[in-house]
Amino acid sequence: GAVVSQHPSWVICKSGTSVKIECRSLDFQATTMFWYRQFPKQSLMLMATSNEGSKATYEQGVEKDKFLINHASLTLSTLTVTSAHPEDSSFYICSARDRKYEQYFGPGTRLTVT
Amino acid sequence: GIQVEQSPPDLILQEGANSTLRCNFSDSVNNLQWFHQNPWGQLINLFYIPSGTKQNGRLSATTVATERYSLLYISSSQTTDSGVYFCAVGSGAAGNKLTFGGGTRVLVKP
Repeated sequence: GAVVSQHPSWVICKSGTSVKIECRSLDFQATTMFWYRQFPKQSLMLMATSNEGSKATYEQGVEKDKFLINHASLTLSTLTVTSAHPEDSSFYICSARDRKYEQYFGPGTRLTVT
Repeated sequence: GIQVEQSPPDLILQEGANSTLRCNFSDSVNNLQWFHQNPWGQLINLFYIPSGTKQNGRLSATTVATERYSLLYISSSQTTDSGVYFCAVGSGAAGNKLTFGGGTRVLVKP
């Protein structure tokens, strides 16, 4: 099956700093990738849709200036959490869509802001 | 937007038992996926099933699109089946955008 990687798997940063998370589709090209956020014991919430070569589309209520998304190639999307605060601590998961609309998920990145 | 409800929210099974998880959705869909989230947070694709029936080992799934529900069957459950099962659906031109249900948390006891 299709494989999606994320890096780093966990990160601890200080309040006010920025953190970049990478999402890669390893064995297929993905024109569309997605970023989700999951709080403990809750479901996944879509944050934004990342399209290769164009601006990301953000869901309502997601601050585009805080969560910067770049889809630089058909296999790489990055999420940068800018000026992170403790309330940004969460589990961030990316996914990549194949040609048949099936989504494959990365292993997630656990962000802790102190 | 589309609403997705999963039931039951929690399920405790004895090893070897069978179970059925349900996913109801509020509108027509052209994408439906079932996932298993393991204790480390990884979502594992179980089925891509916008309609019809599929089977993979001890798991099978059926989606009745006209009645807006999908079922996931787990037979002869094992402790490794523990975790959270999510149903996610997509619709319309943006059928690639998935809306997740609340999940069913499954615990299989030895």
